[in-house]
Amino acid sequence: ETGVTQTPRHLVMGMTNKKSLKCEQHLGHNAMYWYKQSAKKPLELMFVYSLEERVENNSVPSRFSPECPNSSHLFLHLHTLQPEDSALYLCASSQDLRGGGGYTFGSGTRLTVV
Amino acid sequence: AQSVTQLGSHVSVSEGALVLLRCNYSSSVPPYLFWYVQYPNQGLQLLLKYTTGATLVKGINGFEAEFKKSETSFHLTKPSAHMSDAAEYFCAVSGGGKGNNRLAFGKGNQVVVIP
Repeated sequence: ETGVTQTPRHLVMGMTNKKSLKCEQHLGHNAMYWYKQSAKKPLELMFVYSLEERVENNSVPSRFSPECPNSSHLFLHLHTLQPEDSALYLCASSQDLRGGGGYTFGSGTRLTVV
Repeated sequence: AQSVTQLGSHVSVSEGALVLLRCNYSSSVPPYLFWYVQYPNQGLQLLLKYTTGATLVKGINGFEAEFKKSETSFHLTKPSAHMSDAAEYFCAVSGGGKGNNRLAFGKGNQVVVIP
């Protein structure tokens, strides 16, 4: 399997639930990213990892907790979410942080918080 | 820091007509420029990119874009729109591969193709 794979594709969760989003890349890239895409809003960069180290956290609430156990896997742990957190969550990877090659995106997880 | 401006969130085009999406960028270093396409409930897919060399770049699905340094632009075109071109299109810029550079994305253009 190649590219960036995200699971699950769809997730419905209550505000008191705990769930995790998973991202896996098979491209040998060293940097990985979480984005949030809400209706009628620009793409929001949430977290950036390089070689398993978090290098950027863009003022994301603590109810979102990322984890990068190795350079191929990225998780986003979710707990006590709010309805406004409903969105498409996109994972991306790149060769490194220099941005020259662009990013490869997964298909996203459509999250609905009820 | 780099930034991108895409004007007009929604663009309507007739089937068979020219598709033109405008992108202007700001960058303090020579930029790398990208166009991505997103179909409903999908991730972003790379259409084409400019890094160095030829300023007219051809991508997938018949799209092309031209880097014009003097105009700080990277407009996307396709001569003849097809119904399958209905999607959202994002322009992005990074700082030419130097240092740590996040891709900066524009707000996107939602393209509607009218039969």
